[in-house]
Amino acid sequence: SYELTQPPSVSVSPGQTARITCSGDALPKQYAYWYQQKPGQAPVLVIYKDSERPSGIPERFSGSSSGTTVTLTISGVQAEDEADYYCQSADSSDVVFGGGTKLTVL
Amino acid sequence: EVQLVESGGGLVQPGRSLRLSCAASGFTFDDYAMHWVRQAPGKGLEWVSGISWNSGSIGYADSVKGRFTISRDNAKNSLYLQMNSLRAEDTALYYCAKDSASSIAIQSFFDYWGQGTLVTVSS
Repeated sequence: SYELTQPPSVSVSPGQTARITCSGDALPKQYAYWYQQKPGQAPVLVIYKDSERPSGIPERFSGSSSGTTVTLTISGVQAEDEADYYCQSADSSDVVFGGGTKLTVL
Repeated sequence: EVQLVESGGGLVQPGRSLRLSCAASGFTFDDYAMHWVRQAPGKGLEWVSGISWNSGSIGYADSVKGRFTISRDNAKNSLYLQMNSLRAEDTALYYCAKDSASSIAIQSFFDYWGQGTLVTVSS
């Protein structure tokens, strides 16, 4: 079955740039989406179609794609950005999530 | 404001059944596909099932195929998940999620989520 691979954890200091990657063989052909999930809360969409930002999502969140890897970039990380981040894509008829990356703001 | 409110979760013995419901408001329900996504305690997200706006297209994860049935009632703005032959590994928080489009497709993604209902399968 199709898999999306994310690093389990990323740590950055406030004000720095965090980059979270997601790798998958189908990513050159399919869009990727990113969700933020804070403890005890439902996921929130932060990036769609690789690099589009929904209304209400701060400009410091951006997405990019290169080959089999997509990247969520958070510029000027703030303490409130500490959360789990999940990428999502699809292969044939299956919706697939990455395993999630815990972003720690030091 | 889009609202998705799940209900129906609880403690159930292995092999038994449970039916989850999701009440939707704040958008034109029958314009959009809907999905169920689950999260086991301390684990990541797993897509469970999706249904198109008119129930004409339905999909399931391999892990639940043949045991779970998704349905919707557009007149009641409601989404359902009938779960049969439940297993311990089905224990999770089950989220109702709205698709951005009317059909379940390879580009499905979830622009709104409910707060989830907890299903615990244990003897």
